[in-house]
Amino acid sequence: GDSVTQMEGPVTLSEEAFLTINCTYTATGYPSLFWYVQYPGEGLQLLLKATKADDKGSNKGFEATYRKETTSFHLEKGSVQVSDSAVYFCASNAGNNRKLIWGLGTSLAVNP
Amino acid sequence: EAGVAQSPRYKIIEKRQSVAFWCNPISGHATLYWYQQILGQGPKLLIQFQNNGVVDDSQLPKDRFSAERLKGVDSTLKIQPAKLEDSAVYLCASSSGLAGTHIQYFGAGTRLSVL
Repeated sequence: GDSVTQMEGPVTLSEEAFLTINCTYTATGYPSLFWYVQYPGEGLQLLLKATKADDKGSNKGFEATYRKETTSFHLEKGSVQVSDSAVYFCASNAGNNRKLIWGLGTSLAVNP
Repeated sequence: EAGVAQSPRYKIIEKRQSVAFWCNPISGHATLYWYQQILGQGPKLLIQFQNNGVVDDSQLPKDRFSAERLKGVDSTLKIQPAKLEDSAVYLCASSSGLAGTHIQYFGAGTRLSVL
């Protein structure tokens, strides 16, 4: 069945370090792919999305490219800030209802 | 534009008691979702409404959970009776349901503790 796998956390980085959070998916058909972020005490917010192969989603300095050949959608940021500390979720939509399939989340802590 | 509103933010109950959560989606959004998020896990879809009809409730524990969206706008999720393992954050989300978008917008959630 459809699934999303993302790297386990927690990830701890120093401010201005480079961030990569890996995400791979399995799906029948051609899903859209999403990264959501959950800041402490808040709900999930859409960070970026890509709807077809080779699309690059970007927002707030974060980027992810939809790679059909490797079924991946890795999240990257060149220089993280303390305010980026949050839990990041990769998700795909699939099936007739376009239901979101979620990864388990990766916790990121950025130290000053 | 107002976001998805949920209440209450926090709820503490004892096992076997009942509890209800309320959600008001973004105005005009036809699709509404209830998720359960257990600590350290991704959200699990409990039920999806399209207007006031149920699209998917395959993972809703129907012996104790119920949800309704009578007028196709706001929605309530009820648990009766609650069990310890129901302790989680209950998230409501909505989307416009337009083909090709399906971006879901989430409320802040209700954190339920069952003692």
